[in-house]
Amino acid sequence: ETGVTQTPRHLVMGMTNKKSLKCEQHLGHNAMYWYKQSAKKPLELMFVYNFKEQTENNSVPSRFSPECPNSSHLFLHLHTLQPEDSALYLCASSQDRGAEAFFGQGTRLTVV
Amino acid sequence: GENVEQHPSTLSVQEGDSAVIKCTYSDSASNYFPWYKQELGKGPQLIIDIRSNVGEKKDQRIAVTLNKTAKHFSLHITETQPEDSAVYFCAALGSGGSYIPTFGRGTSLIVHP
Repeated sequence: ETGVTQTPRHLVMGMTNKKSLKCEQHLGHNAMYWYKQSAKKPLELMFVYNFKEQTENNSVPSRFSPECPNSSHLFLHLHTLQPEDSALYLCASSQDRGAEAFFGQGTRLTVV
Repeated sequence: GENVEQHPSTLSVQEGDSAVIKCTYSDSASNYFPWYKQELGKGPQLIIDIRSNVGEKKDQRIAVTLNKTAKHFSLHITETQPEDSAVYFCAALGSGGSYIPTFGRGTSLIVHP
């Protein structure tokens, strides 16, 4: 265990559904990240939060909406997704930006 | 921005052999280079890292080397075991360049018993 917990582990949703992914860390880290991992592609950074403030939005479509209510929790709200959004969504945290990142187990998302 | 190239994409070895995975980076300001191992169904886990002030770091059967002049770094696994089978990712980042890690595409290592 890395200390970063993601729920749910698996999610199947229709294109008209609204769902949320949750990430929690109790490592005392200040930075949290969302990544998308698709088959045959490098890890794609989606969002970065530092001290609860969003510092990076890597040109992510608005159907993905992040929320960081405190330094320990990070959410990714999903709505009207497309089948090509099916992927493993990984959350990570680090003490500060630029420090080693610790990843959660990921949420395997399937959009049908 | 930073660009990280990783080779090979697939590496197949016999148990007990050594495995070497190589990465190159483009931003000379990068100063921190972690390596991650991702097993099936799990998230990436940090296995070793190196900072630009050293040229080599070792942890039991795993070692990483860094050549800042040539802008490349490598992961070396000796006496490989079947449980080393996984996908390995390199990354580069730094406060002078970008503090956001740029990852390589990954290497699928298969260790045959």
